[in-house]
Amino acid sequence: EAQVTQNPRYLITVTGKKLTVTCSQNMNHEYMSWYRQDPGLGLRQIYYSMNVEVTDKGDVPEGYKVSRKEKRNFPLILESPSPNQTSLYFCASSPTQTSWWGDTQYFGPGTRLTVL
Amino acid sequence: QKEVEQDPGPLSVPEGAIVSLNCTYSNSAFQYFMWYRQYSRKGPELLMYTYSSGNKEDGRFTAQVDKSSKYISLFIRDSQPSDSATYLCAMRKGGNNRLAFGKGNQVVVIP
Repeated sequence: EAQVTQNPRYLITVTGKKLTVTCSQNMNHEYMSWYRQDPGLGLRQIYYSMNVEVTDKGDVPEGYKVSRKEKRNFPLILESPSPNQTSLYFCASSPTQTSWWGDTQYFGPGTRLTVL
Repeated sequence: QKEVEQDPGPLSVPEGAIVSLNCTYSNSAFQYFMWYRQYSRKGPELLMYTYSSGNKEDGRFTAQVDKSSKYISLFIRDSQPSDSATYLCAMRKGGNNRLAFGKGNQVVVIP
């Protein structure tokens, strides 16, 4: 089954304790992206990756890191989480980086993070 | 001015009613317009996809794009309780995967 998976689905942590949220897709997509979703603010892009070893900042990258060492995986790293990073996080992937036509993004199930 | 404006106010309708949702946008470079549906505790899933101005129908769903007014709409006919979800509009430029999202509309269809 074609899908984007995220782990963990729920995480409660404390300020300053480094954490990683994993994302994996089995569709051989080049493009992958991380979003956070907050009430009243909608979905905002954190980082994206056009392909292996190619990453770039989205709209709200502060406090986050990413890496893309393999095509299928795109982990999100919070080196020193703070309470304002409490949010619902989604990973997404897309079949091509420069398609002029109807590719779209497939979203994972989400990771609900609480930073105390 | 935000790139994409979507009134996030919750919308409650009786079963069988027509649901009307809309978004406005400011960037005339947007060419691809999408509506995503998000059920509670799930990731968004693509519902409708349109390119440029015009209408697109898929079953009970109709997406409209008016590029001259920078306005897109989603209509749901004969709404069902299973349509209760948050609907997000999204759009992007050509040759660019970055999606700009609206804040989402929560829709509740009351049996």
